Amino acid sequence: DTGVSQDPRHKITKRGQNVTFRCDPISEHNRLYWYRQTLGQGPEFLTYFQNEAQLEKSRLLSDRFSAERPKGSFSTLEIQRTEQGDSAMYLCASSPGTYYEQYFGPGTRLTVT
Amino acid sequence: AQSVTQLGSHVSVSEGALVLLRCNYSSSVPPYLFWYVQYPNQGLQLLLKYTSAATLVKGINGFEAEFKKSETSFHLTKPSAHMSDAAEYFCVINQAGTALIFGKGTTLSVSS
Repeated sequence: DTGVSQDPRHKITKRGQNVTFRCDPISEHNRLYWYRQTLGQGPEFLTYFQNEAQLEKSRLLSDRFSAERPKGSFSTLEIQRTEQGDSAMYLCASSPGTYYEQYFGPGTRLTVT
Repeated sequence: AQSVTQLGSHVSVSEGALVLLRCNYSSSVPPYLFWYVQYPNQGLQLLLKYTSAATLVKGINGFEAEFKKSETSFHLTKPSAHMSDAAEYFCVINQAGTALIFGKGTTLSVSS
């Protein structure tokens, strides 16, 4: 069990640029979640996948955000035309099923200048 | 909708003192509740979870929490604080088996 990994750990980008983050879940977990955490707040849910199917999206996930999980393994989160308000820690988590605890990766810290 | 409220954004204790972090929940169905800890510059780590099997839940690092339905509470305690316990603690509820709903967090400071 190598845990959830995320890449990159830090990303600095200019406003208007596109960015993509990757998450590799624990291998036997079929559920994968994305959250966003801003300074001084708890993480907020963005979206989740069961295998390759994206089953739920938060209203926080604007049209500029898209997430994929091809083949039900790793996942990517893309933000198009980044804005300064997108600056946050983006967290990925995985779990083996419904109501199980979620295991979090170290996060990707995005700074939009 | 389910939610959690953490009472006190910052708690300070002396090393060796009792730690008490308060959490109240709101849920129309039996809740699944968790406490997560976030150490500085580290990821979120599960401390303990309540899944209705027992009202007193023991977690890692000497922490425990008691589920009280009558008070809609799930407070986190540790009998004796250690310097290494200094971190951000989040009370969390599972919404309908999908998203985790986090409280705003409580920063625990431990002084020698």
